[in-house]
Order: sequence, then structure tokens, then C-alpha cells
Amino acid sequence: RKEVEQDPGPFNVPEGATVAFNCTYSNSASQSFFWYRQDCRKEPKLLMSVYSSGNEDGRFTAQLNRASQYISLLIRDSKLSDSATYLCVVSLWTGQNFVFGPGTRLSVLP
Amino acid sequence: GAGVSQSPRYKVAKRGQDVALRCDPISGHVSLFWYQQALGQGPEFLTYFQNEAQLDKSGLPSDRFFAERPEGSVSTLKIQRTQQEDSAVYLCASSPDRGRSTGELFFGEGSRLTVL
Repeated sequence: RKEVEQDPGPFNVPEGATVAFNCTYSNSASQSFFWYRQDCRKEPKLLMSVYSSGNEDGRFTAQLNRASQYISLLIRDSKLSDSATYLCVVSLWTGQNFVFGPGTRLSVLP
Repeated sequence: GAGVSQSPRYKVAKRGQDVALRCDPISGHVSLFWYQQALGQGPEFLTYFQNEAQLDKSGLPSDRFFAERPEGSVSTLKIQRTQQEDSAVYLCASSPDRGRSTGELFFGEGSRLTVL
């Protein structure tokens, strides 16, 4: 079993839709959690960190459930520019050993 | 620029050739990571340096892979006797000292290796 698993996708949604991605991790000692975004043939970039209490950044909301070892990302009012692959990332502690999931591809359609 | 710089951006090698990929991290970043990303997959961890010390090389797929960071800044990933399965994008990332880190990795644009 992979350390980090994600919805296989791809997700094809119309503009304005709400879409949610799920991620599970296997190592209960994991301490830090992130969502990264990767555009086609580009490098991954940090989208947002995920905090225990859940956090929101504009149209993006991240949730963490430590008991279930589950992380989610919700995107509201999808834009064409949201089309990308979303990578769930888990770390045992900040600064070392970042484990990436396989990614979920999102296509927002006009 | 101020970002992570990788070279070459593209490399075509014949099977059996040795290749060397270079990473120039953001100035002052203590931590440096190498990842391998196959087409359609997420980045897979290869190795991690804190300054010049290689603290984790558990992700290196075989003894044909070797990484170094002798002066704690520029790093080189060397692949000996390349095989077709080594074809991938090799991503380098850096981050500040762990004590001040937000957990954000700053990636370079990657080196795309194709082994024929």
C-alpha cells in the first residue's frame, strides 16, 4: 500500500462547480500536511498547508481528520485556471521527508 | 533569478551512458531534496541533504544512482549506466532551515531525462 493515496481522477467539471478531492495517508506519525498544485509540464507549487482545525484560502478549503488519516481539498466556484494536478503531501515533521501522493487531475471546462 | 535552478533542462542519453544533473538551490536554503517523477505519477522521493550531509538516501532506486552536495549548496545527481526505466523528470527542491521552515518546498523546473 502506498504511503499517500488520492482519488485517481481525472475530474472534469464545468466552470463554477464545486469539486472535492480526497487523500489518505498510512503513517499515523505524520505531522505536517499540504496540498500542492502542478500545472502540465511544470514544477509542483505549494497551494496551501493543512491545519488540524481546517483552513480556508479564498475558494479553497482544506480539512484534516487525524483519526481517519484523511485529508480533503474543496474548491468552490471552479475557474478554468484551476485546471491542474493536485498533489497531497505528507511529512513526518516539517523540513524532511515529504511524501507525495500520485495526484488528482482536474479539468475545468467552459 | 532567485529560484531553484536545474540543468540541463532536457537530456537524451543512450542506454548505458552516465548522466549528471545539477541543482542550484535558493541561496541560504539548508535542505535540498531530489525527486523522480514518471509520466502521470506524483514525485517520488530519492534523497535529502541538510547542508552537505546526506541524511536520507532511502529512495535511490539502485546503486547506479548517486547524489552529492559537497559544499552545502549546489547538488549533483549522477546516474550511471542509464536504463530505459530511468526516463523521468528529476526534480530538485530546497527549503529553509527546519526551524524556520513553513514546510514549503521550492522546486526547480526539473531535468527531463530520456534514455533511448
